Amino acid sequence: DAGITQSPRHKVTETGTPVTLRCHQTENHRYMYWYRQDPGHGLRLIHYSYGVKDTDKGEVSDGYSVSRSKTEDFLLTLESATSSQTSVYFCAISEREDTQYFGPGTRLTVL
Amino acid sequence: DQQVKQNSPSLSVQEGRISILNCDYTNSMFDYFLWYKKYPAEGPTFLISISSIKDKNEDGRFTVFLNKSAKHLSLHIVPSQPGDSAVYFCAASAKGNTPLVFGKGTRLSVIA
Repeated sequence: DAGITQSPRHKVTETGTPVTLRCHQTENHRYMYWYRQDPGHGLRLIHYSYGVKDTDKGEVSDGYSVSRSKTEDFLLTLESATSSQTSVYFCAISEREDTQYFGPGTRLTVL
Repeated sequence: DQQVKQNSPSLSVQEGRISILNCDYTNSMFDYFLWYKKYPAEGPTFLISISSIKDKNEDGRFTVFLNKSAKHLSLHIVPSQPGDSAVYFCAASAKGNTPLVFGKGTRLSVIA
């Protein structure tokens, strides 16, 4: 299994509060991604990174920001959480075009 | 507009028989196609991939077929086992390690 951890694994928060999710890898992979999974939508890309301090937006980036100051860490921040951001969030890493490995996920509930 | 489509939300197969999961795509720039399996409360697990220069890739019980002219790929699982019951996602990416685009998934139930 690829060395990917996500923290926290579960979080309940209130509307309007800031939330930061962390993805940590031990594989030294260059590319890192944040997805959200919602019923009826599959997995949708939020943001991704192609190197330290190099990030780009995905399909559903509104309301989210990211930072990558070290190869091993990729942070996803919800500046002011809304109920529509209740979801399961997955981090993924890759080094090659034909494989991408996922973390265990973070279940976020915004009340 | 969905670039990767899995038109069957669910599929039931008897244990020991073949499971065939289908996926269609619209973007002719896609170069790599991947299949993932997902159990509840876990992250997706990479199963098998194929590049656009091939039409078949096999790994144990799993075989992926690619028909570029039809923009269609399929995952065959033979023989199907109860532990294969999961949601299967098809994904695609263009050259240059571009992010994956996922289908909505197909829930496979293998009945003993």
